[in-house]
Amino acid sequence: QLQLQESGPGLVNPSETLSLSCTVSGAAISSTTHLWGWVRQPPGKGLEWIGIIYYTGDTYYNPSLESRVTISLDMSKNQFSLRLTSVTAADTAMYYCARVNLGEGFDYWGQGILVTVSS
Amino acid sequence: DIQMTQSPSSLSASVGDRVTITCRASQGISNYLAWLQQKPGKAPKSLIYAASSLQSGVPSKFSGSGSGTDFTLTINNLQPEDFATYYCQQYNSYPYTFGQGTKLEIK
Repeated sequence: QLQLQESGPGLVNPSETLSLSCTVSGAAISSTTHLWGWVRQPPGKGLEWIGIIYYTGDTYYNPSLESRVTISLDMSKNQFSLRLTSVTAADTAMYYCARVNLGEGFDYWGQGILVTVSS
Repeated sequence: DIQMTQSPSSLSASVGDRVTITCRASQGISNYLAWLQQKPGKAPKSLIYAASSLQSGVPSKFSGSGSGTDFTLTINNLQPEDFATYYCQQYNSYPYTFGQGTKLEIK
């Protein structure tokens, strides 16, 4: 059974960098038929697509975040990661990692991790 | 970016009812449309992909239709566990975008 699990600090200081990892079990992130992505949800609000990465390392980001975001793969750990620089309170959100099945959109989701930006 | 607009934003219904939620894309997306369900404090769950195909394990009480710019999600015989927030999402082009959500509440 495929599982995704987010990890990282739950509290980040303003202007610093948010770093999260997503550990995948039950599937290889080297798959040629899947992509791996991040979605976030501010408290009480809707879902926002952050970006995705393919096994080749090709990435696609939301233009609203592109200048601050990096998604990368670590094949040795079967993980993918999110870095968001220069965070502000507006980046406070639940962050979800998820798998994209080509032609089907997101099919599996992690449970999410709440990240609060505050000093 | 493709804008996704759902209606209604909220909906009250009773157990046993049938409800329909609509989603409109600001430009054509063929059938690259998914529906997700989210319960309070939980991660989203993918219900439907390609506008009308059920994800594995999703009961047939959920159905989707549409193509191009207009889509619908129908839920038959509402049960207490179906009361949640539903989102549509296009994956025709980057950035993938979500509708604002429809909160389905018990009447």
